[in-house]
Amino acid sequence: NAGVTQTPKFRVLKTGQSMTLLCAQDMNHEYMYWYRQDPGMGLRLIHYSVGEGTTAKGEVPDGYNVSRLKKQNFLLGLESAAPSQTSVYFCASSYSVTEAFFGQGTRLTVV
Amino acid sequence: AQSVTQPDIHITVSEGASLELRCNYSYGATPYLFWYVQSPGQGLQLLLKYFSGDTLVQGIKGFEAEFKRSQSSFNLRKPSVHWSDAAEYFCAVGTWNTGNQFYFGTGTSLTVIP
Repeated sequence: NAGVTQTPKFRVLKTGQSMTLLCAQDMNHEYMYWYRQDPGMGLRLIHYSVGEGTTAKGEVPDGYNVSRLKKQNFLLGLESAAPSQTSVYFCASSYSVTEAFFGQGTRLTVV
Repeated sequence: AQSVTQPDIHITVSEGASLELRCNYSYGATPYLFWYVQSPGQGLQLLLKYFSGDTLVQGIKGFEAEFKRSQSSFNLRKPSVHWSDAAEYFCAVGTWNTGNQFYFGTGTSLTVIP
């Protein structure tokens, strides 16, 4: 039972480069989320999706784009990476507000 | 607006001592409340959750939490801490009115002294 899988687990980018983080869930959940975790700031919501083909902005969406073409996948894109985007990124999914299931995280460093 | 406050950034306790981690929330409706734990380099694992009913909820690993509506609090407790409890703990509020979102506190880092 894989749950929520994030790819890659680690990545180093140069400023200005682009990349896509992949989140895959096998629980048939409607809702998916992307958070970033920074020291002393907890988890902040970047974007979320309430179903296939839908996306919405969260608390800190600037500099990121997302897509949910398939129900099981939620992609987070950085078009032009900046050092301020150095963070640990977590994907989560849920079928309701009763519980969110998290991936193991992606540690991204932008130099 | 929804918000979650964890006033203690870092707590140190001796192994075998009791533990209480504080959490206060702000939410206009009936809250869905959670405690998650994050071990170093890992994702978040659900410890326990509260939706309604008995205000004292039991979770995994011997943790419990008490919901107090009058104080807008949902404090996490454990009677006797083990060294393996050293981790980061997050309190969260779940809201259904804007796409089932989860709002997290800033976390409390727990150190356990042998």
